[in-house]
Amino acid sequence: DAGITQSPRHKVTETGTPVTLRCHQTENHRYMYWYRQDPGHGLRLIHYSYGVKDTDKGEVSDGYSVSRSKTEDFLLTLESATSSQTSVYFCAIREDTEAFFGQGTRLTVV
Amino acid sequence: GEDVEQSLFLSVREGDSSVINCTYTDSSSTYLYWYKQEPGAGLQLLTYIFSNMDMKQDQRLTVLLNKKDKHLSLRIADTQTGDSAIYFCAGSGSARQLTFGSGTQLTVLP
Repeated sequence: DAGITQSPRHKVTETGTPVTLRCHQTENHRYMYWYRQDPGHGLRLIHYSYGVKDTDKGEVSDGYSVSRSKTEDFLLTLESATSSQTSVYFCAIREDTEAFFGQGTRLTVV
Repeated sequence: GEDVEQSLFLSVREGDSSVINCTYTDSSSTYLYWYKQEPGAGLQLLTYIFSNMDMKQDQRLTVLLNKKDKHLSLRIADTQTGDSAIYFCAGSGSARQLTFGSGTQLTVLP
């Protein structure tokens, strides 16, 4: 699993509440990514980071923000959760040519 | 940006070969990847191919790359029931993020 831990693994939250998902890595990799997985869409990039405090938007960044204050942690925040953000969220790290994924966080917004 | 397409479903008999196809649009992708996802799990990197290669073989897996047609395929020899899963192809883009296809659900019939 390349030392990637996502937390929580499952979460149910109400519409309009803020939610933060955490990705923790133990390998000191520079590049980290947040993807969401939805049926029929594969995985789509939300945000990524190329170093501490260096982040950029991906394909589906609206409604999400990220922070990376330490190399090992990459946080994804839904400022005000909506039902369209119900999804499975995956964190990934990039090690040279290979990218490895965490086990995912299943988020349900009711 | 990169666009990656895959057929959604494939069924094969146990012991036969499976061929999963993928087309991509960005000819500048340096690496092309195949990932496997079992139910409820994260993505497992199966193999990848550098864009200047035509073929890569790794045990039961063979990857073929046709750069002219921007076509990538994954052949699984002697397919087993444990190979039933969703298979994603992905291309690498700028900032090293991956762009994924929608995934192919492989079903192996006894």
